[in-house]
Amino acid sequence: DGGITQSPKYLFRKEGQNVTLSCEQNLNHDAMYWYRQDPGQGLRLIYYSQIVNDFQKGDIAEGYSVSREKKESFPLTVTSAQKNPTAFYLCASSPNGGSVNLYGYTFGSGTRLTVV
Amino acid sequence: AQSVTQLGSHVSVSEGALVLLRCNYSSSVPPYLFWYVQYPNQGLQLLLKYTSAATLVKGINGFEAEFKKSETSFHLTKPSAHMRDAAEYFCAVSGYTGGFKTIFGAGTRLFVKA
Repeated sequence: DGGITQSPKYLFRKEGQNVTLSCEQNLNHDAMYWYRQDPGQGLRLIYYSQIVNDFQKGDIAEGYSVSREKKESFPLTVTSAQKNPTAFYLCASSPNGGSVNLYGYTFGSGTRLTVV
Repeated sequence: AQSVTQLGSHVSVSEGALVLLRCNYSSSVPPYLFWYVQYPNQGLQLLLKYTSAATLVKGINGFEAEFKKSETSFHLTKPSAHMRDAAEYFCAVSGYTGGFKTIFGAGTRLFVKA
């Protein structure tokens, strides 16, 4: 079955460390996205990629980095510059990378990151 | 500019009762509207979407929503709640405003009482 796989499901990080969250899709979707979810705040866009080898900052990109070397993969690195990284991170994809999302998103099951 | 407001962060209904989750949007362009459901510690799942076809949209799990342009609303309903409907629900709007943008509401948590 096609879908999005995020790993790990739970991740603990010490302050000052960088960590990378994995996101892989086998849906042949062009566009991929990273969202951060905090209680009571809905979803906030971190980065998105409309096509391989291209990505754009979202609303809260500071302290994060991404790469899109393959169509199937869009890993997110949470750097030590991110001051409040504890959150639930969601990866999503959609068939088209255009300006308007006509199809809706397919989401992964998320990674819960905790700073210890 | 676009925005989404979900009225009520928590809604509680009895099993078998009508479910009504409210969503109002603001958009300077024709909007595309979505409802998603999220179960605890899971990702979001698309329930239904409005993309300028029929104004009454039917989705999965017996849910439906009606696009009302005059009221800028896209409320989600289900005639009879089941215990398995207990989850968090998100409304989202997408529209061409010269660049990529999909805006999510803050979410409404639905509780279903036996």
